[in-house]
Amino acid sequence: GDSVTQMEGPVTLSEEAFLTINCTYTATGYPSLFWYVQYPGEGLQLLLKATKADDKGSNKGFEATYRKETTSFHLEKGSVQVSDSAVYFCALSVMDTGRRALTFGSGTRLQVQP
Amino acid sequence: DGGITQSPKYLFRKEGQNVTLSCEQNLNHDAMYWYRQDPGQGLRLIYYSQIVNDFQKGDIAEGYSVSREKKESFPLTVTSAQKNPTAFYLCASTPRPGETQYFGPGTRLLVL
Repeated sequence: GDSVTQMEGPVTLSEEAFLTINCTYTATGYPSLFWYVQYPGEGLQLLLKATKADDKGSNKGFEATYRKETTSFHLEKGSVQVSDSAVYFCALSVMDTGRRALTFGSGTRLQVQP
Repeated sequence: DGGITQSPKYLFRKEGQNVTLSCEQNLNHDAMYWYRQDPGQGLRLIYYSQIVNDFQKGDIAEGYSVSREKKESFPLTVTSAQKNPTAFYLCASTPRPGETQYFGPGTRLLVL
């Protein structure tokens, strides 16, 4: 079946540090890949997405590149801010399966210190 | 403003009681989903619906039921058969299955 594996958290960084959160996947078909962010007590917000190999999704300084050869979609940001503190979820969706729901990783908590 | 609303924000359930969580969207989306989130874990799919009057079980449907009588609404009932209902419940919708899902703010269910 489909699955997503993320690095375990929490990840603790100082403000302006470089961020990488690793995400790898296994999928039965050709997936679309997503990063969602969740702030405390809230629902999930789409951060970025990529729908085919070598696509780069980007938003708010975050980037991730769809790497089919390594089945990865790592999230990066060059300079994190305190306001980036949240839980980040990697997810995939396979269009050619019946249910087409999202399959999520377990989430990675990011804590940014001033 | 278009979006997804969930109510209530907090819900308390007594032993043996059924409770219903509301999910409404005005995005004109066809597909809607219910997920359960436990502390420190990812989201798990409970039920989904791709069109009105049709819905399918997800990975953890036991102890839950849904209906989809209107395009805008997809309520989730947590029945007394669900022995461990304490969790954060998230509703989502998408214009077409497999595309970006948009999430509501969630309902936190607690057992008294």
